[in-house]
Amino acid sequence: SQTIHQWPATLVQPVGSPLSLECTVEGTSNPNLYWYRQAAGRGLQLLFYSVGIGQISSEVPQNLSASRPQDRQFILSSKKLLLSDSGFYLCAWSAKGTGDLNYGYTFGSGTRLTVV
Amino acid sequence: AQKVTQAQTEISVVEKEDVTLDCVYETRDTTYYLFWYKQPPSGELVFLIRRNSFDEQNEISGRYSWNFQKSTSSFNFTITASQVVDSAVYFCALRAILYNQGGKLIFGQGTELSVKP
Repeated sequence: SQTIHQWPATLVQPVGSPLSLECTVEGTSNPNLYWYRQAAGRGLQLLFYSVGIGQISSEVPQNLSASRPQDRQFILSSKKLLLSDSGFYLCAWSAKGTGDLNYGYTFGSGTRLTVV
Repeated sequence: AQKVTQAQTEISVVEKEDVTLDCVYETRDTTYYLFWYKQPPSGELVFLIRRNSFDEQNEISGRYSWNFQKSTSSFNFTITASQVVDSAVYFCALRAILYNQGGKLIFGQGTELSVKP
């Protein structure tokens, strides 16, 4: 069965420090991968998505970047965190292809980031 | 552009009341998928339902029911006889079918439901 791992669960980082959040998927190949952020206002904002290794699409200009060095690994990074980067970060994957079964999503358990 | 609007930011009901959460979407795609997710205080997203744009049949699952109306671009969610455990944030979401959009899921802002005993 497919699983998605996201870590760490919580993180407190000072302003100006770097960030690296990692997400890995098991039990599938060539997935679409996504990073979402949920700020205090509750809405889920799509930050990045990737349809393959090295292919990253950015949805919102910001202080963050994403990379996909391996098929089932998706990394969210920042060189210097801002206070506004605080939030709840969720990784997700979905399968490619057609048919109803390929249009589901699986979300990780999330990382709660507090920038102080 | 694609957009999902959940106009109700917060709803508070007393246990056993029925409650409907509204969702209105915008898309130029003729084929798309709509979703509802529940987010309890722990933060994880719990999948509730997925609906294909070709299937306008309403669906009922226990105390949950969904009313999909393509003519008004709405996909509303009703909880019958609400319970305290239904308290959570509920998200409506839209997925484009086009491959070059990466199958991204666009969420509404969410509706926080509070069910009081």
